[in-house]
Amino acid sequence: ETVLTQSPGTLSLSPGERATLSCRASQSVSSSYLAWYQQKPGQAPRLLIYGASSRSTGIPDRFSGSGSGTDFTLTISRLEPEDFAVYYCQQYGSSPLTFGGGTQVEIK
Amino acid sequence: EVELVESGGGLIQPGGSLRLSCAASGFIFSSFAMSWVRQSPGKGLEWVSAITTSGASTYYADSVKGRFTISRDNSKNTLYLQMNSLRAEDTAIYYCAKTVTPGYYNYMDVWGKGTTVTVSS
Repeated sequence: ETVLTQSPGTLSLSPGERATLSCRASQSVSSSYLAWYQQKPGQAPRLLIYGASSRSTGIPDRFSGSGSGTDFTLTISRLEPEDFAVYYCQQYGSSPLTFGGGTQVEIK
Repeated sequence: EVELVESGGGLIQPGGSLRLSCAASGFIFSSFAMSWVRQSPGKGLEWVSAITTSGASTYYADSVKGRFTISRDNSKNTLYLQMNSLRAEDTAIYYCAKTVTPGYYNYMDVWGKGTTVTVSS
């Protein structure tokens, strides 16, 4: 099983700042099969990024993904008020599908 | 509009059974693999089970293998999760999610709002 470790657990930032979230895999994620999701309180997860760097439909370009192998990053270039949420990475390169533990981006 | 609506959650005693349903609309249900993902209170996401388009192949997390059964009825555009021998650690919000391909090894682009299962005496 591929274990995904997200860091930091909590990121305290102000609107307008840049957020950098990390997702590290216990083994190489084949073909960069990594996705990122956003979840707000009381809501279902929403797909942001797939294939490590491709934005899903309707996702603003302030969200970007990068990385390969075992190290992946989600960057939010300038935080908007609606971006404060929990973010999860998920690998789909091997069975079983696994998620990281999440990073909460909170308002400083 | 693409939509997934879960139902069937509730309060159940340990050792009991429950069947969750997920009604799909707005897309060709029979063309995509489907998954169940759960989230325990205050915790992260855990993939539970998946099924391919025809239902011929099913997959389970080790934590539910032998207790849960996933199935689908493409004529009714509905996904199911039969949960037996429920334990307290199965308490969670259960989300139904659409995979982007017929095979289950992929990301999920549409999620339902979830149904809550509470296992407690």
